[in-house]
Amino acid sequence: GESVGLHLPTLSVQEGDNSIINCAYSNSASDYFIWYKQESGKGPQFIIDIRSNMDKRQGQRVTVLLNKTVKHLSLQIAATQPGDSAVYFCAERGSGGYQKVTFGTGTKLQVIP
Amino acid sequence: DVKVTQSSRYLVKRTGEKVFLECVQDMDHENMFWYRQDPGLGLRLIYFSYDVKMKEKGDIPEGYSVSREKKERFSLILESASTNQTSMYLCASSRSGRTQYFGPGTRLTVL
Repeated sequence: GESVGLHLPTLSVQEGDNSIINCAYSNSASDYFIWYKQESGKGPQFIIDIRSNMDKRQGQRVTVLLNKTVKHLSLQIAATQPGDSAVYFCAERGSGGYQKVTFGTGTKLQVIP
Repeated sequence: DVKVTQSSRYLVKRTGEKVFLECVQDMDHENMFWYRQDPGLGLRLIYFSYDVKMKEKGDIPEGYSVSREKKERFSLILESASTNQTSMYLCASSRSGRTQYFGPGTRLTVL
């Protein structure tokens, strides 16, 4: 079946460094990808999204890169801060069906002060 | 800002009890969703609704039902709670074709 996965379950980064969180997806028909951040005890929070007709999108301190050739998605966080410590999920939405989104299991980002 | 609220943050119930989890969104979104989140399994879709009184089964609907009588409110019902339904339950809403926004979650424990 289709799946969305993450390469690393835990990522430790020094405060001030850049973080890169990776995600592999398997549904080549997916047309929309989202990154969420989930802090402990809270619901997932939308960070940034990208459509399949784009390969890069930038937000405030975050950039999402999409490589459709190898079905790879990444989230880059610039100048990582302690408040960035959380679990990050990638998600994909297939081109058919009602809004059904498949989520990865998440990567935990730990920021070392 | 989109606001999705859930009726309880923590809930403890006994096996066999009927459980209601309520979700309300204030952005006039057409779509609403219920997920459960378990360690190592990520978010799994239980049910979703794309309009009032409409519902669709997700990936794991067994043991659950839903109700959407008003556009802003989507309820998840456990007819007879079991211990394997102990989980974090997350509600989300979205406009058609757009990003889903999540509530804070309800951590349900079934004893």
